[in-house]
Amino acid sequence: AQSVTQPDIHITVSEGASLELRCNYSYGATPYLFWYVQSPGQGLQLLLKYFSGDTLVQGIKGFEAEFKRSQSSFNLRKPSVHWSDAAEYFCAVGGRTNAGKSTFGDGTTLTVKP
Amino acid sequence: DAGVIQSPRHEVTEMGQEVTLRCKPISGHDYLFWYRQTMMRGLELLIYFNNNVPIDDSGMPEDRFSAKMPNASFSTLKIQPSEPRDSAVYFCASSLGGRSDEQYFGPGTRLTVT
Repeated sequence: AQSVTQPDIHITVSEGASLELRCNYSYGATPYLFWYVQSPGQGLQLLLKYFSGDTLVQGIKGFEAEFKRSQSSFNLRKPSVHWSDAAEYFCAVGGRTNAGKSTFGDGTTLTVKP
Repeated sequence: DAGVIQSPRHEVTEMGQEVTLRCKPISGHDYLFWYRQTMMRGLELLIYFNNNVPIDDSGMPEDRFSAKMPNASFSTLKIQPSEPRDSAVYFCASSLGGRSDEQYFGPGTRLTVT
């Protein structure tokens, strides 16, 4: 069975500081990996995705994530956080063997201090 | 494209009443998902469809919940009778299956059952 673990429920960073959100997954084959962001009162929006190829993927809003197969991880990073990045972030895993369904982690809430 | 459309955006009803939530997926998408989000339980997948056929309804909490997809452009989630513990934000999402599994979420329906 596939699963996703986001170890950090809540993270606080100062504006301008770097950010790393952790994601570990379990999947029996080559995974498709996603990061979504949810701003207050909004639906989830895709930030970036990994299917294959280059293990460092770039997304919208200056985010990037690195797929590390040996560590079963797909951590999200941003070099300099802006106040507007305050939101909840979800990691998800999917793939061809799961009939189109992705499994979501429990989310990490990001607070940005001025 | 207008994205995934959900209606109503807010619904307040009394316990015991029937509630119907509506979703219009993105045109051409062949997967449709219904999620429920609460503070206590996070994001839960209730049911999903492929080509209008329900694939997995194991997340539907109980028989009071039912979902239909009569055609490729419309789906409903019905709760009958509603209970206060059903209060949550309900999201609909759609995706183009196969290689591109990223899901596109609607803005959600905030349901309050008093």
